[in-house]
Amino acid sequence: GAGVSQSPSNKVTEKGKDVELRCDPISGHTALYWYRQRLGQGLEFLIYFQGNSAPDKSGLPSDRFSAERTGESVSTLTIQRTQQEDSAVYLCASSFGQAMNTEAFFGQGTRLTVV
Amino acid sequence: GNSVTQMEGPVTLSEEAFLTINCTYTATGYPSLFWYVQYPGEGLQLLLKATKADDKGSNKGFEATYRKETTSFHLEKGSVQVSDSAVYFCALSPRGYSTLTFGKGTMLLVSP
Repeated sequence: GAGVSQSPSNKVTEKGKDVELRCDPISGHTALYWYRQRLGQGLEFLIYFQGNSAPDKSGLPSDRFSAERTGESVSTLTIQRTQQEDSAVYLCASSFGQAMNTEAFFGQGTRLTVV
Repeated sequence: GNSVTQMEGPVTLSEEAFLTINCTYTATGYPSLFWYVQYPGEGLQLLLKATKADDKGSNKGFEATYRKETTSFHLEKGSVQVSDSAVYFCALSPRGYSTLTFGKGTMLLVSP
């Protein structure tokens, strides 16, 4: 596709269940980012991939969160044993190079609600 | 650490009014600065950027000047339109880093 695609667009899950969020970046973009936006808050950085490697995982809030990227393309963000505080919009972005030098393109996000 | 502070919203204006959305930052060194915009139902998209002090970024009638002395990057537009209604995010990316640090966003509502 022409842009960054995220799925699902909405997800409601029960507390304690695991969820997987998917991101399809723009073809050829080497950098991929995950952010979280909780209600009334700014965008919170979670993890950054360059190719299939994650040189910066500093934003992952706990060991319940993990992410992987394969084939320098699709990325999956997994949240295990979800908690209510995990409810947020999860945004994925990709760019051709480093964020400081080039434009990051964002998907429309996955709205996660933990009940 | 790195942080971005934006003015609280929503900002409510009439069409053709002058817009200013304040943004200040804290960062080590000299970061690149950005404004991203999120229109209703769409993903964030880059509006403008500046990579060094005194640079002015501009796009679609919006402008922002990188002010190192005041660590600011305020967004301005001389005459807003209803179609400018959106959420605006100020962001920075420190030199040598690959991530963006965002502010909380400011909602702009423009009425006819």
